Amino acid sequence: EVQLVESGGGLIQPGGSLRLSCVASGFTVSSNAMSWVRQAPGKGLEWVSLIYIGGGTNHADSVKGRFTISRDNSKNTVYLQMSSLRAEDTAVYYCARGRRSSSDLFDFWGQGTLVTVSS
Amino acid sequence: DIVMTQSPDSLAVSLGERATINCKSSQSVLYRSDNKNYLGWYQQKPGQPPKLLIYWASTRESGVPDRFSGSGSGTDFTLTISSLQAEDVAVYYCQQHYTAPTFGKGTRLEIK
Repeated sequence: EVQLVESGGGLIQPGGSLRLSCVASGFTVSSNAMSWVRQAPGKGLEWVSLIYIGGGTNHADSVKGRFTISRDNSKNTVYLQMSSLRAEDTAVYYCARGRRSSSDLFDFWGQGTLVTVSS
Repeated sequence: DIVMTQSPDSLAVSLGERATINCKSSQSVLYRSDNKNYLGWYQQKPGQPPKLLIYWASTRESGVPDRFSGSGSGTDFTLTISSLQAEDVAVYYCQQHYTAPTFGKGTRLEIK
């Protein structure tokens, strides 16, 4: 059974850093593109970051230079390192698997982890 | 970025009736080399993550009931629920993946 379990969210002050983790089971993260997608409270969905099968990465302009996506194949885990956090980064962060035939369309999602940026 | 515009923002439909949600992209998402529209639809129920319903604009994901269908090409797309069931109450999003992924703002579907 495919599962994605996110962790690492919490309350953080503006300017702070946080690392989110996404542990996968039922498939290997190195065989699929993986993304982080966020949803601010009561709002819509915003793609954040993607790591391709080959290891290349891409980030939304809103987080470029502040967020970094990576993975550890030995732990079957994807990470999102977030720094210089702002109030507008407050959201539920979902880990999502890219479909085999299209890396940036998402066929499986975790339950999400809430990040709150506030003083 | 490609902007995705959904309409209406919210919709109330009677059980058993048809529901139609529209999605328009600011530029074409039809990739000429493979003749595929890089457009998907998701359903999000309260307190749950999104669920992929439709990909390539009109192909149902495995396990999705056949009352859900997608249509359109280029810049104009439609998600249709042919006979609304109570469990279909949710917010529906379109998403393009022709370029860096972007989503519509969502359409809230309720029972009339």
